[in-house]
Amino acid sequence: QKEVEQDPGPLSVPEGAIVSLNCTYSNSAFQYFMWYRQYSRKGPELLMYTYSSGNKEDGRFTAQVDKSSKYISLFIRDSQPSDSATYLCAMSAMNSGYSTLTFGKGTMLLVSP
Amino acid sequence: SQTIHQWPATLVQPVGSPLSLECTVEGTSNPNLYWYRQAAGRGLQLLFYSVGIGQISSEVPQNLSASRPQDRQFILSSKKLLLSDSGFYLCAWSNRFNEQFFGPGTRLTVL
Repeated sequence: QKEVEQDPGPLSVPEGAIVSLNCTYSNSAFQYFMWYRQYSRKGPELLMYTYSSGNKEDGRFTAQVDKSSKYISLFIRDSQPSDSATYLCAMSAMNSGYSTLTFGKGTMLLVSP
Repeated sequence: SQTIHQWPATLVQPVGSPLSLECTVEGTSNPNLYWYRQAAGRGLQLLFYSVGIGQISSEVPQNLSASRPQDRQFILSSKKLLLSDSGFYLCAWSNRFNEQFFGPGTRLTVL
């Protein structure tokens, strides 16, 4: 079983739709969870960072973590064509003051006008 | 604010040639630094990370090496490139909260 599983998509939605992106993981030591957005041929951009179960909201984006189910989600409200990108989940377990991230392979999102 | 630079942006190299990719970070001191490779359909693969000058940890044994000659400079090198070294190389730095921030990347094509 891979440490982090993420559906590669593509996920196609019309403008204005609510988007749900998800990752599952197997390592119960993961404590910190991140979502990155990556436009084509660009570096990933950090969108959301959470370290506890529950919801975190930032504008149109909501990150949700369920540690009991080892499941994280990113919701995008009122999706826009500019949201079309690949979304990567990432997670880590702290170790001696530093930690490496384990990434999902990313879900490609296409928002049509 | 912090900024991370990578160069070159794109590179086409023949098999067997050497490689040197450079990454520099501005606006922070003593960052943790990372080199990743992103190949199509394979996600982000961590290659090296560094917690300080001269301190390099390798995640994947291969013909690549990394060096950190200065606090905010991270270099990825190879003596002889392979076709399989083609990919999108990303440098990143992390803060004390382990948030990682990526550079713009270098697209390497080995022919």
